[in-house]
Order: sequence, then C-alpha cells, then structure tokens
Amino acid sequence: GAGVSQSPSNKVTEKGKDVELRCDPISGHTALYWYRQSLGQGLEFLIYFQGNSAPDKSGLPSDRFSAERTGGSVSTLTIQRTQQEDSAVYLCASSFKGGNIQYFGAGTRLSVL
Amino acid sequence: DQQVKQNSPSLSVQEGRISILNCDYTNSMFDYFLWYKKYPAEGPTFLISISSIKDKNEDGRFTVFLNKSAKHLSLHIVPSQPGDSAVYFCAARQGGSEKLVFGKGMKLTVNP
Repeated sequence: GAGVSQSPSNKVTEKGKDVELRCDPISGHTALYWYRQSLGQGLEFLIYFQGNSAPDKSGLPSDRFSAERTGGSVSTLTIQRTQQEDSAVYLCASSFKGGNIQYFGAGTRLSVL
Repeated sequence: DQQVKQNSPSLSVQEGRISILNCDYTNSMFDYFLWYKKYPAEGPTFLISISSIKDKNEDGRFTVFLNKSAKHLSLHIVPSQPGDSAVYFCAARQGGSEKLVFGKGMKLTVNP
C-alpha cells in the first residue's frame, strides 16, 4: 500500500486478556517504530526496529509488552494481561534507514475494560 | 520530565491571519526538529522540519524558526486557512537516537 497500515483500527478487550496489534510499513522502509498516545498526552516512544532487529526497546513500559518484526516488513506489538492503563492509541511509523522523517499510520485505539 | 513542551493547549485565529505555534525543549543534544499535523482519527502527518544547523526553514505557507540559545522553535502559518484546523505536534530527535520525542500537542482552530 501507499502508506503505513495498522490493524485493527479499534480493539476493545477485557482486563487480563492478551492483544496483538499489527503494522504494515511503507514498502522499502527498513526502519519501523511503535509509539502510543494516551489521552491528553503526546506520543510516547515504545520500540524501534531496523530490519528485524530492535536496537532500541527503551520505551516498552513493562515486560507485558513485546514486539517482533518478520521479513523486514510487518510488525506485531503484543500486550499480555492487559490493564486499564494500557488504554491508548498505538501508532506505528516507518522510515528509510537514516531517514529523518517518520511516516505514521492511523493507529489502533485500544480500550481495556 | 518533559523534554519537549507545547505550553499552550489551543489557539484560535481568523482565516487569512498568521498562526504562530510555539515549542520549547530542554535537551541541548536535540539536533533535528519536526512538526506534525493530526486530524481526528488519523495518524500524524509530517509538515515541516529543521536541522539544528539552520535557524529557518520555509515551505509554502509554513515556516519554522529555531532559536537554539533559547531552546525554542516556532511554526508560522501564513495565511491560515480553515483546513489548517488540527492538532499540531512538535517533535525532536537527538543525534545518534532514532526515536522522536513529542510535545503534548496544540489544537489550532482557524475560523472562516
């Protein structure tokens, strides 16, 4: 596709359940990023991939959060045993290696009841 | 500790006038700055950027000014149009790091 694609666009889950969020970056972009935006806050960095490797995982808030990337393309962010404070919009971005500009998808709105 | 601050949560201007959006930062290691625009239910869209070696960058109606000594940047939109109504985020990147650090955003409303 032309842009960064994320699915699902909305996800409602019960506290304690696991969720998987998917990101399909722009074709040819080797760098992929996950951010989240909580209500009234700016975007908060979670993790950065270059190819299939994650040289910067410093933003993952707890060990319940993990992410992987396969084939240098699609990435999945997994949140285990979701908590209400995990409710946020999860945004994925991609860029060329060494590129300064990150291009964002529309995000997945996660609501944990 | 917020490293990028957008202290005004909202701004309202008349169509045709200038909009000035401000951003302050605390980390002197930031060397690249970006502005993103976000409409509801959409992802942020890149607008304009500036490297720390410059003090001004212009692209059509949008100009970004950087004052490194004051650790301050601003986005000027002239003339403002109703379609510019959105939330604007200031973001910064530190040399050697790939992550962007974002401000909380400012909602701009341009009235016809």
